[in-house]
Amino acid sequence: GNSVTQMEGPVTLSEEAFLTINCTYTATGYPSLFWYVQYPGEGLQLLLKATKADDKGSNKGFEATYRKETTSFHLEKGSVQVSDSAVYFCALSTSGNTPLVFGKGTRLSVIA
Amino acid sequence: KAGVTQTPRYLIKTRGQQVTLSCSPISGHRSVSWYQQTPGQGLQFLFEYFSETQRNKGNFPGRFSGRQFSNSRSEMNVSTLELGDSALYLCASSLGHDTQYFGPGTRLTVL
Repeated sequence: GNSVTQMEGPVTLSEEAFLTINCTYTATGYPSLFWYVQYPGEGLQLLLKATKADDKGSNKGFEATYRKETTSFHLEKGSVQVSDSAVYFCALSTSGNTPLVFGKGTRLSVIA
Repeated sequence: KAGVTQTPRYLIKTRGQQVTLSCSPISGHRSVSWYQQTPGQGLQFLFEYFSETQRNKGNFPGRFSGRQFSNSRSEMNVSTLELGDSALYLCASSLGHDTQYFGPGTRLTVL
């Protein structure tokens, strides 16, 4: 079946540090890939997405590239801020109307 | 455009009771999906409705049910509540075959 594996957290970084959160997937067909972010006490917000191989999704300084050859969709940001502290979820959806499959989430804490 | 809204935001119930949660999708979205989020199991898919019909169902017992109305609003119901049903219940809407947008969730506590 389809699955998503993300690096275990928590991740603690100093402000302005470089962020990478690894995400790999297993899927039949050609999935769409997503990163969602959850701030404390809130629901999930779509951060970025990519729908085909070599696509790069980007938003708010975050980027992720759909790598079919390594089945990966790693999230990166060049300079994190305290306001980026949240839980980040990698997810996939295969073609049609299949539900999202999520990774377990990675908690990021950024300290000033 | 208004986002996905869920009511109520917080609920406290006791074991054996039943509960109904409501979700209003983004205007024009016809698909509504429900997910359960717990610290132990993470995010798990409950079911999806599209144009008033259940289109997908996750691996949850029959105590969990849902429906969708002609205006795309959706409700989910949990009967005979158990302690393990304590969770954040998230609703997501989409046009039908693409990106899902989530509401703020309903935090259910079962005592």
